[in-house]
Amino acid sequence: GQNIDQPTEMTATEGAIVQINCTYQTSGFNGLFWYQQHAGEAPTFLSYNVLDGLEEKGRFSSFLSRSKGYSYLLLKELQMKDSASYLCAADGGATNKLIFGTGTLLAVQP
Amino acid sequence: DVKVTQSSRYLVKRTGEKVFLECVQDMDHENMFWYRQDPGLGLRLIYFSYDVKMKEKGDIPEGYSVSREKKERFSLILESASTNQTSMYLCASSTRTADTQYFGPGTRLTVL
Repeated sequence: GQNIDQPTEMTATEGAIVQINCTYQTSGFNGLFWYQQHAGEAPTFLSYNVLDGLEEKGRFSSFLSRSKGYSYLLLKELQMKDSASYLCAADGGATNKLIFGTGTLLAVQP
Repeated sequence: DVKVTQSSRYLVKRTGEKVFLECVQDMDHENMFWYRQDPGLGLRLIYFSYDVKMKEKGDIPEGYSVSREKKERFSLILESASTNQTSMYLCASSTRTADTQYFGPGTRLTVL
């Protein structure tokens, strides 16, 4: 079957670092997306990992291990505006059909 | 910048009504998608289209149909709306190859 797992909720403090984990099981796999979604808004693209390893983009980094079916999103120097849902999605086929996790709601506290 | 627009941000309909949700993208993308998003269930794919007049069922197509007569426009149709179709509906588009999907702002549909 196809399955994406990520924690439902996380809480972190402003200025700190938080890691949001995602595990996936899919019949096909091209790569792993992370999206950010603020309440009442559309998801926006954060990162796309195809190869194993860490990719850094400013305060946000994303890691992929294809052999373990595992990814994480790392957010550094947290800001209040980082409070949002973070969606993990596996790209499983030639038609770019994504399989989404249920999202992790991150609350950043002062 | 890619722009995906949806016809309405909020919509209220009555049970049994026929509902049309429109999505337009301006980046000449081949692929277009309709999702619904519900608390605790995440984003679920209803239908997608990889070319004009082409469509494929996603994970939850029951109660929905779609139309893609032009490349830039993808319509979601609820033939006879029911209360369990109350949800947030998100449209997205992407290039044919493995690439990010760009989402519209969403339509929050309430069926009474």
